[in-house]
Amino acid sequence: NAGVMQNPRHLVRRRGQEARLRCSPMKGHSHVYWYRQLPEEGLKFMVYLQKENIIDESGMPKERFSAEFPKEGPSILRIQQVVRGDSAAYFCASSPGTSGSDEQFFGPGTRLTVL
Amino acid sequence: GDSVTQMEGPVTLSEEAFLTINCTYTATGYPSLFWYVQYPGEGLQLLLKATKADDKGSNKGFEATYRKETTSFHLEKGSVQVSDSAVYFCALSDPDTGRRALTFGSGTRLQVQP
Repeated sequence: NAGVMQNPRHLVRRRGQEARLRCSPMKGHSHVYWYRQLPEEGLKFMVYLQKENIIDESGMPKERFSAEFPKEGPSILRIQQVVRGDSAAYFCASSPGTSGSDEQFFGPGTRLTVL
Repeated sequence: GDSVTQMEGPVTLSEEAFLTINCTYTATGYPSLFWYVQYPGEGLQLLLKATKADDKGSNKGFEATYRKETTSFHLEKGSVQVSDSAVYFCALSDPDTGRRALTFGSGTRLQVQP
């Protein structure tokens, strides 16, 4: 049973470009979470999605960031007009969603570098 | 809001030494508590968890006890190995608030020397 898949693992963008990060949850999981880890810091929650719905986006910056989890295909975290401060590791996690305190399984992360 | 505070690192130990990494939390409800481990260049792996007061989570020789009276969830291991070198994150989820997101501490880097 494959774990959470993220791609690309490493992404380099120049300031002003767009970054698209993909996450495929574990088989059977319908809930996806995105977290951001700045260098030498802990993970900060960004957004929580179920299929075709954003449930909690309280951690998302108000501008330039968006996320989706379509009926078919992976979840996408999109960052428009990237700036140097967006450089970070972005982790996706998934859970079955069958109870309120179920475990989240993390992917290997996408390390975004903005030049 | 919810928060997690854990001791700053790095923690440097010799092999077979005793490990304690402190973690305290603030939460509005009755949270579930977790320890995650992150090896270099990898994602987070769940190490252990506890979902109610006085529960003890354990895995791979690591233990942590959910102490509601002191709002703590300290990680311990009796004898560390070089392979335990990693960053350890304490985290909580607070289902009573309806939020499923995890709140993480800032992480503690452990370095075990042979």
